[in-house]
Amino acid sequence: DQQVKQNSPSLSVQEGRISILNCDYTNSMFDYFLWYKKYPAEGPTFLISISSIKDKNEDGRFTVFLNKSAKHLSLHIVPSQPGDSAVYFCAARPSGAGSYQLTFGKGTKLSVIP
Amino acid sequence: DVKVTQSSRYLVKRTGEKVFLECVQDMDHENMFWYRQDPGLGLRLIYFSYDVKMKEKGDIPEGYSVSREKKERFSLILESASTNQTSMYLCASSDYRNEQFFGPGTRLTVL
Repeated sequence: DQQVKQNSPSLSVQEGRISILNCDYTNSMFDYFLWYKKYPAEGPTFLISISSIKDKNEDGRFTVFLNKSAKHLSLHIVPSQPGDSAVYFCAARPSGAGSYQLTFGKGTKLSVIP
Repeated sequence: DVKVTQSSRYLVKRTGEKVFLECVQDMDHENMFWYRQDPGLGLRLIYFSYDVKMKEKGDIPEGYSVSREKKERFSLILESASTNQTSMYLCASSDYRNEQFFGPGTRLTVL
C-alpha cells in the first residue's frame, strides 16, 4: 500500500522554464512534507519542507504547495537549470511525538534540457 | 555542516557472506536510519534507531539486523548475503523530528 505516490517517473523541461513535480498521499495523519533531491551515486539532500498548517513555502527558486483537501503537494522550480537534473523524492511524516519515520515516494527523474 | 559518513562507497560480496555496513554521524543526532534504494521502488526503510541500543523495524527488515552501541554509529548487518540484497544502501540521521541528513550511500553487489 503506497502511502506517498509520485505518479510521474520522469519529466523533461527546457532550461529557463518551470518544472512542476507532483506528489499525492493517502494517510491523513501526515502533517509534515519534505522534498529531497538525489544525484546518481550520492545520498539524497534535503531541499525544502512544508508543515500542514501552511499551504505554501518558498526558498529561492523552489516553492512547495500543499493542498490538504486533495492530499496533494507539488514542487515548483523556476527557472529550471541543467544542474537541477536529478531524481526528486517526496516524503511525508505523520503527526505524533514519537514519529520519526519518513515515508518516501518512488521518485521523479527530472531532466532539464539546455 | 552535518556529516554522515558510510564505511564504503562500493562493496562486492559473495552469497552467504556476512556483511557489515557502518554509518557514523557527527552531529549528536538521536535518530539514525538505514534505507535501501532500488530503481522504481524509491527509498525503503529497513531499520531505524531513536536511541543507543534501541532499534525499530522499518518496512523491509527481513534478512537484516542492526546495532547501535554508540550514539554516533549505526551498523547494518546482512547475516547471510543474498543476490536480492544487491542494492544502494543509504544511512541517515536526524535530530528529533527534523529533516533527515543522508550519507553518500554504499553500492553493494552480492554475487
